[in-house]
Amino acid sequence: AQSVTQLGSHVSVSEGALVLLRCNYSSSVPPYLFWYVQYPNQGLQLLLKYTTGATLVKGINGFEAEFKKSETSFHLTKPSAHMSDAAEYFCAVSLSMDTGRRALTFGSGTRLQVQP
Amino acid sequence: DGGITQSPKYLFRKEGQNVTLSCEQNLNHDAMYWYRQDPGQGLRLIYYSQIVNDFQKGDIAEGYSVSREKKESFPLTVTSAQKNPTAFYLCASRVGFAGELFFGEGSRLTVL
Repeated sequence: AQSVTQLGSHVSVSEGALVLLRCNYSSSVPPYLFWYVQYPNQGLQLLLKYTTGATLVKGINGFEAEFKKSETSFHLTKPSAHMSDAAEYFCAVSLSMDTGRRALTFGSGTRLQVQP
Repeated sequence: DGGITQSPKYLFRKEGQNVTLSCEQNLNHDAMYWYRQDPGQGLRLIYYSQIVNDFQKGDIAEGYSVSREKKESFPLTVTSAQKNPTAFYLCASRVGFAGELFFGEGSRLTVL
């Protein structure tokens, strides 16, 4: 069964500092990986996704993530945090060969705080 | 603009009452999903449907029911059998085998 672990339920950074949100996955087959962002009382918005090809994926709002198969990781980074980045971030996995329910499995989320 | 519309945004229910949450999409997606979100637990899958007139239970289906009579619509009923229904409910749809989920704005249900 696939699973996702997000290390750190809360992360606090200063404005302008590096953002690093950690995600590790468990999957028996090559995974598809996703990062979503959620603002209070809203739905989830896709930041970026990895399916095949280049392992460094660039997304919206200056975020990027790197798929590392040997480490089973898909960490999210942004070189310089902005106040508007304060939100909750979710990592999700979907099996590439899933012919069953084709649903995403989500991590428990990381709340990012940005200090002025 | 294409998207997913959930209604109502906020809903209050007395114990013992059934409530139905609406989810409509105009993205022409075949697959639709319902997730429940609780603080610190991420999103948990309730039900999903890959095609009209067919749906499957997710990880926490007890106390919930769905229907899929039209491609565009996937309503969720929270029944009185659901012991802890207060939560944020998210509807989503998906295109293709490797596609991402598109989410609605969510419905917050509070049991009084």
